[in-house]
Parts: sequence; C-alpha cells; structure tokens
Amino acid sequence: NAGVTQTPKFQVLKTGQSMTLQCAQDMNHNSMYWYRQDPGMGLRLIYYSASEGTTDKGEVPNGYNVSRLNKREFSLRLESAAPSQTSVYFCASSGEWTPDEQFFGPGTRLTVL
Amino acid sequence: SQQGEEDPQALSIQEGENATMNCSYKTSINNLQWYRQNSGRGLVHLILIRSNEREKHSGRLRVTLDTSKKSSSLLITASRAADTASYFCATVPVLKLVFGKGMKLTVNP
Repeated sequence: NAGVTQTPKFQVLKTGQSMTLQCAQDMNHNSMYWYRQDPGMGLRLIYYSASEGTTDKGEVPNGYNVSRLNKREFSLRLESAAPSQTSVYFCASSGEWTPDEQFFGPGTRLTVL
Repeated sequence: SQQGEEDPQALSIQEGENATMNCSYKTSINNLQWYRQNSGRGLVHLILIRSNEREKHSGRLRVTLDTSKKSSSLLITASRAADTASYFCATVPVLKLVFGKGMKLTVNP
C-alpha cells in the first residue's frame, strides 16, 4: 500500500494563478484532511471531509476550495494564489476503526511569488 | 487557534540521554496524540492516549496525561541520533485534530 500520496511535491506559482493539489489514499479511509504548515505555526486545518460527499471548513479555509472526488481522492484548489498561501500543504486520512489517528502524505511545498 | 502548546520549543541533548517534552491544552479532549516529523517529511503518528488513561508506553516512548492540569508529557528514553525531529502534540476535541506548534529535538551523537 502506498498510504497517502500527494502531487506535486513542489510548485511555484505567480500571484493570481490557480492550481489544484491532489491527494489520494489507498487505505479505504472515510475521512480526509488538508492542512497547511507554516514556520512557528504548527499545522492548521484548512478543510476536511468526514466521508465521501461531504466537506467542512477547518480553521483557515479562506482562499481555498476542496473536492472529495470519491472515497480515495481529496483535492485542494487555490483559485487565485496569494503570497500568504506560501506554505507546506499536507493531506491526511483516517479510518473508521481508528478515526483519531491520522496518516499523513509527504507534503507539497508551494511558493507563491 | 492552536489547542496544544509544546514546551520547550527546542531541546538539544546527548545521545543516550532521556528527552522530555510537555504539552498543555485548553479544552476538554477525547484523546491526545504525539506525532514526529523528520525534516522535510510528513508527520508520523507515535502514540495516542485516551482521556481516561494516565500513562502509556510504546517501546522507548512513555506518555502521561493529566486531564486535571490539561497537560501531557512525552518521554523518550535512551535517545538516539535518529530521534532528531520535531515533535507535535495533537488533541481531539471533536472529529478533527488540533496541532500544537511543535518542538524541535536535536540529539547529538
């Protein structure tokens, strides 16, 4: 099993450009999450999806949209990137039997110029 | 806003020594977890302790939880250079995790 995979690993955008970060998990998990990690800030939840077909805002949702495409995939979209969105983005998932234990992807390092 | 706060924010020790890091949180929780993050990598789950547990062990890891003080500690015994990483506590008030800012541990060989 690959676990949680994310693409791309690195991305540089110009202000105003859009892009979608992809996340997939092969553990048949119900819940998926998107976090951003900034120096000295720890991880902050952007959006989460408790199950296929549902999405909810987390702590810092502004400037982002998400799509739970199916049970495996949960994408994060930046419609008009801003320098403040420069960060490392992590996707995570958790299963029905251990809902509180999250499994993380390797991260996407995004720079917005 | 962060729920968990790790203390100290950075710690440097010699290989073989024990490392203790503390976490304080603000609201009632269902459980508390510790994660490790190696430089440039994702987070790896280390251990989970439920609100009705006071102490838990996993290999060289020992976690304590004091719900009356809203605090937890993670002890790594006989540290190794490979333990060099950032450590995060995370609490589960509801479905989602709320992470602290993290603590950077450096184990010098």
